[in-house]
Amino acid sequence: AQSVTQLDSHVSVSEGTPVLLRCNYSSSYSPSLFWYVQHPNKGLQLLLKYTSAATLVKGINGFEAEFKKSETSFHLTKPSAHMSDAAEYFCAVTSGTYKYIFGTGTRLKVLA
Amino acid sequence: SQTIHQWPATLVQPVGSPLSLECTVEGTSNPNLYWYRQAAGRGLQLLFYSVGIGQISSEVPQNLSASRPQDRQFILSSKKLLLSDSGFYLCAWRPGQGVGYTFGSGTRLTVV
Repeated sequence: AQSVTQLDSHVSVSEGTPVLLRCNYSSSYSPSLFWYVQHPNKGLQLLLKYTSAATLVKGINGFEAEFKKSETSFHLTKPSAHMSDAAEYFCAVTSGTYKYIFGTGTRLKVLA
Repeated sequence: SQTIHQWPATLVQPVGSPLSLECTVEGTSNPNLYWYRQAAGRGLQLLFYSVGIGQISSEVPQNLSASRPQDRQFILSSKKLLLSDSGFYLCAWRPGQGVGYTFGSGTRLTVV
């Protein structure tokens, strides 16, 4: 069985400071892992994905995530937050099946 | 290039009325298609997925149904809406395993 846990429902950071959004997963097989971003009343946009290649994955808008098998984690980071990063972020996992399992989301607030 | 279209963007419907949400994909063939629902303050719940024409898998028992009358068309329906059907509905597609979803822009359904 697969599952995803996003450890924080809300995260607030000041503009220009680092962002850390945490995601832990559970999967019986080698997982593929994804981070998506959703702005209000919009669809989800793929930020980055891990599919068993390099463990450090770089995505769009300066985001990156590191796959740590020993910790079953796939945390999303960004060195310096921008106001436009304020949105909801979803972590998702799949193990080669047709469906993905999404976390419950982390709402990122960026303070001026 | 591949694009996904979902409409309408917003919908307000009375309890007991029917529902039809449509999703179409362009620029690809035989995509895996998905319907998700996002209730306020909650994550994404997979409702249906389809791997081909006429092939529908339902993930949760509910008041909704889905159909795939054409390769690139996926329809979400209800005969009689309930208040609990309110939410943000997202259509998504992906070309194969290990590849991230591409989401439509979503439909905000409010049942009154």
